[in-house]
Amino acid sequence: SQTIHQWPATLVQPVGSPLSLECTVEGTSNPNLYWYRQAAGRGLQLLFYSVGIGQISSEVPQNLSASRPQDRQFILSSKKLLLSDSGFYLCAWSYSGGTEAFFGQGTRLTVV
Amino acid sequence: ELKVEQNPLFLSMQEGKNYTIYCNYSTTSDRLYWYRQDPGKSLESLFVLLSNGAVKQEGRLMASLDTKARLSTLHITAAVHDLSATYFCAVDSNYQLIWGAGTKLIIKP
Repeated sequence: SQTIHQWPATLVQPVGSPLSLECTVEGTSNPNLYWYRQAAGRGLQLLFYSVGIGQISSEVPQNLSASRPQDRQFILSSKKLLLSDSGFYLCAWSYSGGTEAFFGQGTRLTVV
Repeated sequence: ELKVEQNPLFLSMQEGKNYTIYCNYSTTSDRLYWYRQDPGKSLESLFVLLSNGAVKQEGRLMASLDTKARLSTLHITAAVHDLSATYFCAVDSNYQLIWGAGTKLIIKP
């Protein structure tokens, strides 16, 4: 069976500090991978998606970046966090060619 | 550009009552998904609707899809407190998911 791991679960970072969130998927090959952000009490905002190694599409211009160094690994990064980067970050995967998304447990990021 | 609208956005109801959440979308699509999110938690897939007239049921929840009307419904029968959550619909548009804003459902004992 397939599983998705996302860590850390919670993170408190000062403004201007770097960020690295990691997500890995097990049990499937060549998945589509996604990073979403959810502000408190709000809906989902797609940040990045990837259909293969090294292929990243950005949906929202911001100070975040994503990388996919391996087939089942997806990393969300920032060089300098802003207060507005606070939120609930969700990694998700879908089968190649599919759209049903399966979500990780999420990372609650608070920038102080 | 595909837009997805859910209504209501907030619903407070008593246990034992029936209610329906609506998901309208603006352009053609024949794949629609429903997810559940508990407070502070991630999203869990509830239903996958892949064709016109599709109906899926799980316990007290039933979802349907009318692609001609561009409408999906999530019906709750005899609500119980454990169904309190936020429910999202998402529509497939060129292999991307377009999300509704979510319906926060509170079921009071």
